[in-house]
Amino acid sequence: EPEVTQTPSHQVTQMGQEVILRCVPISNHLYFYWYRQILGQKVEFLVSFYNNEISEKSEIFDDQFSVERPDGSNFTLKIRSTKLEDSAMYFCASRPGNNSPLHFGNGTRLTVT
Amino acid sequence: QKEVEQDPGPLSVPEGAIVSLNCTYSNSAFQYFMWYRQYSRKGPELLMYTYSSGNKEDGRFTAQVDKSSKYISLFIRDSQPSDSATYLCAMSRDDKIIFGKGTRLHILP
Repeated sequence: EPEVTQTPSHQVTQMGQEVILRCVPISNHLYFYWYRQILGQKVEFLVSFYNNEISEKSEIFDDQFSVERPDGSNFTLKIRSTKLEDSAMYFCASRPGNNSPLHFGNGTRLTVT
Repeated sequence: QKEVEQDPGPLSVPEGAIVSLNCTYSNSAFQYFMWYRQYSRKGPELLMYTYSSGNKEDGRFTAQVDKSSKYISLFIRDSQPSDSATYLCAMSRDDKIIFGKGTRLHILP
């Protein structure tokens, strides 16, 4: 069964550094998402992406965050200048249509030191 | 009032028991309802997806939606130790899917 893949599985970075989290959504899916889960807390919506543009973003997704679909397969989340509080699991998800359920990757654990 | 409310648990039940997990919501704009299972350090895995009020069954799992009461449930029959995980309810409106906090479930052998 096709799946969403995320790399790396674990990323350690120093505060103030830029990180790029990578995702390959399921190939026929059109809607792409990033979610964040701080350890022990709920899964929080960051941003949705459709037709090569952001369709919705949360208050967490400030100017330090950006997303890109540089080619037909990858979907990236960039954090420009990481803060300690950015430490979390970041999940990429995709779905084929607007009324379909999300399919998640296994996440990237980001640790900011 | 939060958009989606879910008791975080933990909920401990003996193996073989019927498990009932619930969420309430406040926004009547939610149209689609999902249940996900999440094991530690893994991504959420879709269990059930439903649109209309009523019941939907898949194996040992039954999802129930009551739109008039803004209440959804997931029932697990003949619970197994491998069902021990966090269960997340999720609801879709417009382009956004909102998750509950998740309920930690422990099935005791």
